[in-house]
Amino acid sequence: AQKVTQAQTEISVVEKEDVTLDCVYETRDTTYYLFWYKQPPSGELVFLIRRNSFDEQNEISGRYSWNFQKSTSSFNFTITASQVVDSAVYFCALSDGSSNTGKLIFGQGTTLQVKP
Amino acid sequence: GAVVSQHPSWVICKSGTSVKIECRSLDFQATTMFWYRQFPKQSLMLMATSNEGSKATYEQGVEKDKFLINHASLTLSTLTVTSAHPEDSSFYICSAGEVKASTDTQYFGPGTRLTVL
Repeated sequence: AQKVTQAQTEISVVEKEDVTLDCVYETRDTTYYLFWYKQPPSGELVFLIRRNSFDEQNEISGRYSWNFQKSTSSFNFTITASQVVDSAVYFCALSDGSSNTGKLIFGQGTTLQVKP
Repeated sequence: GAVVSQHPSWVICKSGTSVKIECRSLDFQATTMFWYRQFPKQSLMLMATSNEGSKATYEQGVEKDKFLINHASLTLSTLTVTSAHPEDSSFYICSAGEVKASTDTQYFGPGTRLTVL
């Protein structure tokens, strides 16, 4: 069965600190997609990144970076020099690439609080 | 691009009434739309997958007669909560995927907060 685990329920940091959000996934599929979404207090989920299972290159986008390691089934997300506006709930999700349904399996989410 | 809207953003209704929530993809066509439910401080729970022109596929445990889904066009899907009760109060979120492939990225609407009195 597919599963996404975000072991960190809540993280609190002070502004300008770096923070890493962990995501571990389980799947038997060889083709799959991994996502990160941000949910600010307003409630709308904002797409951050998609990574397919054949692309293990790490990615950097501004202050955001992602570390995908198939060997440990992890897809961790790091925010560098955090800001108050980064405060939100962050969800990691897994899509089943073989069944072609597009369904997403979400982790439980990590609430990040960045204090000024 | 890839904007999804939902209407209404919030609704309060009396127990026993029905509520319709609309989900629209504004700048792209979506053969597949998804409906989720989210309780406070919890993750998103997939309720059903909506495909344009066909019946929705419901997840186990979701009552299809209570949560009616209609995907009439490539840009519109509706969720109707029939005979709503207080336990149906929740945050309902839709998402839409582009036509290219069903495994493409899902873009989420802003959500609808339903309160049943």
